[in-house]
Amino acid sequence: QLQLQESGPGLLKPSETLSLTCSVSGGSISSSNYYWGWIRQPPGKGLEWIGTIYYSGSSYYNPSLKSRVIISVETSKNQFSLKLSSVTAADTAVYYCARHRGYYDSSGYYSPGNFDFWGQGTLVTVSS
Amino acid sequence: DIQMTQSPSTLSASLGDRVTITCRASQSISSWLAWYQQKPGKAPELLIYKASSLESGVPSRFSGSGSGTEFTLTISSLQPDDFATYYCQQYNSYSSMYTFGQGTKLEIK
Repeated sequence: QLQLQESGPGLLKPSETLSLTCSVSGGSISSSNYYWGWIRQPPGKGLEWIGTIYYSGSSYYNPSLKSRVIISVETSKNQFSLKLSSVTAADTAVYYCARHRGYYDSSGYYSPGNFDFWGQGTLVTVSS
Repeated sequence: DIQMTQSPSTLSASLGDRVTITCRASQSISSWLAWYQQKPGKAPELLIYKASSLESGVPSRFSGSGSGTEFTLTISSLQPDDFATYYCQQYNSYSSMYTFGQGTKLEIK
């Protein structure tokens, strides 16, 4: 059974860089059928997509966060990672990693679609 | 950017009720829409993809419909396990954005 597990510091100070890793077990991150994504959820609020990566390294980012986000993949370790720089209190959230299932769009291009497996999430708090 | 708007934000219903949640897209997304269920303290779970396809293992009382800009999630007969928050998500590849609706909280009346 596929499992995703987020890991990383739970408390950061403003201006620091958030670094999280998602370890994938029970499946290969190098599968051509899937992308891998990060989503966050501030306490008591809704879901916000952060970004997505393919095993080849192709990536997509939320324009509102793009200037501060880097997502990378390490196929040898079956992991992918998130870095978010210059954090503020507004970045306090539960951060989820998820498998982003691909699909063929109307142009025949294989694109990220829905999120079919999620990690349990990790709370990251930004506070001085 | 494609905006997703769900209604209502909160819905009160009783066991056995049939309920419908609506999700509207700010522009056409064809059928590239998913629905998720989230319970407190848990990660979301995929219910429906491609607007109307039921994810494996999801009870058949859940169904989805719609295309273009208007979509619905229907629960045919509410069970105790269904009281949760529901989110829609669009995945139109032309936008390269994967936007969620703001959520609908389904409460016990």
